[in-house]
Amino acid sequence: NAGVTQTPKFQVLKTGQSMTLQCAQDMNHEYMSWYRQDPGMGLRLIHYSVGAGITDQGEVPNGYNVSRSTTEDFPLRLLSAAPSQTSVYFCASSYLAAFTDTQYFGPGTRLTVL
Amino acid sequence: TQLLEQSPQFLSIQEGENLTVYCNSSSVFSSLQWYRQEPGEGPVLLVTVVTGGEVKKLKRLTFQFGDARKDSSLHITAAQPGDTGLYLCAGGRRGSQGNLIFGKGTKLSVKP
Repeated sequence: NAGVTQTPKFQVLKTGQSMTLQCAQDMNHEYMSWYRQDPGMGLRLIHYSVGAGITDQGEVPNGYNVSRSTTEDFPLRLLSAAPSQTSVYFCASSYLAAFTDTQYFGPGTRLTVL
Repeated sequence: TQLLEQSPQFLSIQEGENLTVYCNSSSVFSSLQWYRQEPGEGPVLLVTVVTGGEVKKLKRLTFQFGDARKDSSLHITAAQPGDTGLYLCAGGRRGSQGNLIFGKGTKLSVKP
């Protein structure tokens, strides 16, 4: 199993550009989520999904969209990139949407917005 | 609002020393997880504790959940260079599904 995969690994955007960060998992997990990690801020939840067709907002959702058309994929869209969105983005998944479940994280996407 | 406070923020020690990392909150959590993250990688789960007062051991690592489920600690005995990394605590609440609240982390460096 590949686990949780994320592409691209690195990305540089100009302010105002849009892009999609890809996330896929092959473990048949129901729960998937996106976090951003900033220096001195820890990991903050952007959006999450408890199953195909179901998504909801986390702590910092503004400027991001998500969709979950299949169990495997959970892309994160930046609508109009801003320098404040410069960060490292992690996708995570777990078997169930339970507070005790193990979260499996992808390797991350390092995004720079100029 | 940072609900989970980790201390210390940075820790640099010599191989063989013992250390303790703390994760504190004024709020009650249903579960507390500890993750370790290495540079350029995603966090990896070390342990989950769910019962107040619970103690779990993973080789040289000992994890404790406070009696009131508001705090946790991670103790490493005889630290090794391979223990170097960012240690994150994450709290979960019943009804919040899989959503976790993360602390800012403790960056540990163990020198040979």
